[in-house]
Amino acid sequence: AAGVIQSPRHLIKEKRETATLKCYPIPRHDTVYWYQQGPGQDPQFLISFYEKMQSDKGSIPDRFSAQQFSDYHSELNMSSLELGDSALYFCASSLLAGGYEQFFGPGTRLTVL
Amino acid sequence: DAKTTQPPSMDCAEGRAANLPCNHSTISGNEYVYWYRQIHSQGPQYIIHGLKNNETNEMASLIITEDRKSSTLILPHATLRDTAVYYCIVRAPGTLNSGYALNFGKGTSLLVTP
Repeated sequence: AAGVIQSPRHLIKEKRETATLKCYPIPRHDTVYWYQQGPGQDPQFLISFYEKMQSDKGSIPDRFSAQQFSDYHSELNMSSLELGDSALYFCASSLLAGGYEQFFGPGTRLTVL
Repeated sequence: DAKTTQPPSMDCAEGRAANLPCNHSTISGNEYVYWYRQIHSQGPQYIIHGLKNNETNEMASLIITEDRKSSTLILPHATLRDTAVYYCIVRAPGTLNSGYALNFGKGTSLLVTP
């Protein structure tokens, strides 16, 4: 079965640079979520989109933005990167009518030097 | 969403049942209990969820007390591949504008030993 695809899997950036993470949800899923997991921490919700509209917002810094495109893929844009942004970034998707189960991708490991 | 409390770590022998408790004494009537797990650095994986009745699927069983203030996730025959952090999450059904996000608290690190 198709799973959530995230790219790139690994990314190394310098401080103050920008980064773009991509997420391709499971086909027919209409909702995308982004989570951030710092070293030794639990995943923290950042933002979500339903049918290309922002549906919920968590602890996403103002330096970050995200959107969902017409083909339902989503991108997380991160600017003015800081050392503390080094983390695993997970994307998840769900079918809202199903509601309860979020399917997570393998994550993008971002390292900021 | 209601707060949950889980033991930070547990051990289980391979082949035995793993019983992971979760306290959610402030749970509201419309809030569900969800369980996810995260195997080291992989994306979290949905296990099971329930409202008030006990639930079972191919992965696990979920036992919710009658007063709904606590629950237990049961892995009937734990294997080494079940070593993971297990998260108990209490969440209302949500709306289109909010509420579908998962609030991962401090889970239980389960170590299954040979």
